[in-house]
Amino acid sequence: DVKVTQSSRYLVKRTGEKVFLECVQDMDHENMFWYRQDPGLGLRLIYFSYDVKMKEKGDIPEGYSVSREKKERFSLILESASTNQTSMYLCASSNVGVPGANVLTFGAGSRLTVL
Amino acid sequence: GQQVMQIPQYQHVQEGEDFTTYCNSSTTLSNIQWYKQRPGGHPVFLIQLVKSGEVKKQKRLTFQFGEAKKNSSLHITATQTTDVGTYFCAPNFGNEKLTFGTGTRLTIIP
Repeated sequence: DVKVTQSSRYLVKRTGEKVFLECVQDMDHENMFWYRQDPGLGLRLIYFSYDVKMKEKGDIPEGYSVSREKKERFSLILESASTNQTSMYLCASSNVGVPGANVLTFGAGSRLTVL
Repeated sequence: GQQVMQIPQYQHVQEGEDFTTYCNSSTTLSNIQWYKQRPGGHPVFLIQLVKSGEVKKQKRLTFQFGEAKKNSSLHITATQTTDVGTYFCAPNFGNEKLTFGTGTRLTIIP
């Protein structure tokens, strides 16, 4: 079964800390995405990657960076966490060029609280 | 810019009543996907619509894509408690970046 695994289900961090959210997919998918989900705002795209070492800004990239050193792993980095980054973070992946391409498979999510 | 509006934000229905959520774009879409997120869960893909005027059915769920490929709807007939959750449209404007509507949260009154 296709799987996207996010390393932490719940995290609590302090303002100013550096935070790493890890995501691994086992489907050999080309594309990987990071979204944040907030009540009333739906899912907002932070960054996505369509290949190793490639990244593209989404709609709300400010305060975040990403890293994709290997095809299966996509990391979201908060260089200096702030309270307005308290949110649910969802990682997703999708394939390209095959039947069912561009359909997102999501991880379970990482709920980050910044104090 | 490329924006999509999804309405309503919330919908409370009696069990057995119908439910509809709408997704409206200001620009023509390449395709549109629909996802469902159960309470406490993550979004799960339901369907993708590609063709103008396309209608697809999954049991009690009917998905439509407008003739102009600017709007879409999801209709559930005779809702059941298992339908509870938030339904998101995910319009594609012709690139690999997949954005989402704000979602419609459906609650069922037994």
